[in-house]
Amino acid sequence: QSALTQPASVSGSPGQSITISCTGTSSDVGSYNLVSWYQQHPGKAPKLMIYEVSKRPSGVSNRFSGSKSGNTASLTISGLQAEDEADYYCCSYAGSSTYVVFGGGTKLTVL
Amino acid sequence: QITLKESGPTLVKPTQTLTLTCTFSGFSLSTSGVGVGWIRQPPGKALEWLALIYWDDDKRYSPSLKSRLTITKDTSKNQVVLTMTNMDPVDTATYYCAHRTDGHSFDYWGQGTLVTVSS
Repeated sequence: QSALTQPASVSGSPGQSITISCTGTSSDVGSYNLVSWYQQHPGKAPKLMIYEVSKRPSGVSNRFSGSKSGNTASLTISGLQAEDEADYYCCSYAGSSTYVVFGGGTKLTVL
Repeated sequence: QITLKESGPTLVKPTQTLTLTCTFSGFSLSTSGVGVGWIRQPPGKALEWLALIYWDDDKRYSPSLKSRLTITKDTSKNQVVLTMTNMDPVDTATYYCAHRTDGHSFDYWGQGTLVTVSS
């Protein structure tokens, strides 16, 4: 069982917006603004999409945005495109003992 | 341009020790703030963080696997090595190495290497 809880699947139609939640605890997501999000297409390595809750790496579309409230972080994808269909994982710094925790992943289907 | 590549055996027997090497370019593990981590993914399952090593030789391990893992670096060779003892079929997974930023994210990943544990 993963340390961070994500919905197993979400779906949306092209052009719509979707949000993926990532729920942790006061020991990880709630205590640090160090949540990152990764996109993974089948058979490929994960790709960093969001870091430090809401920052986008160079080259990542501004259709991707991140936020956090309390122990829950969220990834929002606006203007859904077919190429966004993939698995998405959240990750958080969890303090000096546990250090890194991942979510269980969410499969995004573009209808 | 940062690149990383994992190498090691594709098949190991139960109880054996797995040794994986991450060879990287485009950065130095002697630069302040830089780290390299290992993450694995069993077939069809989620990502799981395993270990991290930093420029100053600070080492961090997943609490659940700490007793089985050792991570080391060879700065001159631009390599990071992960060893995992007492391998079991449940350890079958794709193993990735990744560059760790000082913002605690993994911004560059290797292609991954599939390790199967079977007799």
